[in-house]
Amino acid sequence: QQQVKQSPQSLIVQKGGISIINCAYENTAFDYFPWYQQFPGKGPALLIAIRPDVSEKKEGRFTISFNKSAKQFSLHIMDSQPGDSATYFCAASKDNFNKFYFGSGTKLNVKP
Amino acid sequence: DTAVSQTPKYLVTQMGNDKSIKCEQNLGHDTMYWYKQDSKKFLKIMFSYNNKELIINETVPNRFSPKSPDKAHLNLHINSLELGDSAVYFCASSTRTGEKLFFGSGTQLSVL
Repeated sequence: QQQVKQSPQSLIVQKGGISIINCAYENTAFDYFPWYQQFPGKGPALLIAIRPDVSEKKEGRFTISFNKSAKQFSLHIMDSQPGDSATYFCAASKDNFNKFYFGSGTKLNVKP
Repeated sequence: DTAVSQTPKYLVTQMGNDKSIKCEQNLGHDTMYWYKQDSKKFLKIMFSYNNKELIINETVPNRFSPKSPDKAHLNLHINSLELGDSAVYFCASSTRTGEKLFFGSGTQLSVL
């Protein structure tokens, strides 16, 4: 059973547009929600993360929106650039962070 | 200097063979992991070690045996390789707090 569900599977956005990737979870014990970015041939790298005590976190062009009651969180990439083309994974963790549950990934293609 | 390095990057082998993947981190982290990424890009934890002690073993077949000679190294040995073992295997490490995973570049294993 997948603990974190991610959509869409793939996304095409024009340069300068907004990319939005959504994730949903069931386990209310999750208390840490990171997003990872993976380029081809590389390992995932932490992009931004949020805890459920805030509804939004922004770092540069990247924003996480968090809806605790709906058990959903999303990544917004403003002014998307071709260099943002990568696969994005949401994840969730609880307690001691030893175990992360990853979403199935979204392949983002930003067209010039 | 590469923070988390794993070798080899590509591994092509026949069914039934035994193979090993090596991982080293120079970040001084206490915790190391093995993750498996299948053909659909789904990332799933296999093992977690904290200071050479096994913390997580995610119902992985006994053919997979991790070994941590010291806290900077976590190797993965796979016996009697099967077609279904074909995947990308990622090594990762984190600090004791565990909030941020640092991934290696992955080992693409192809079992023929």
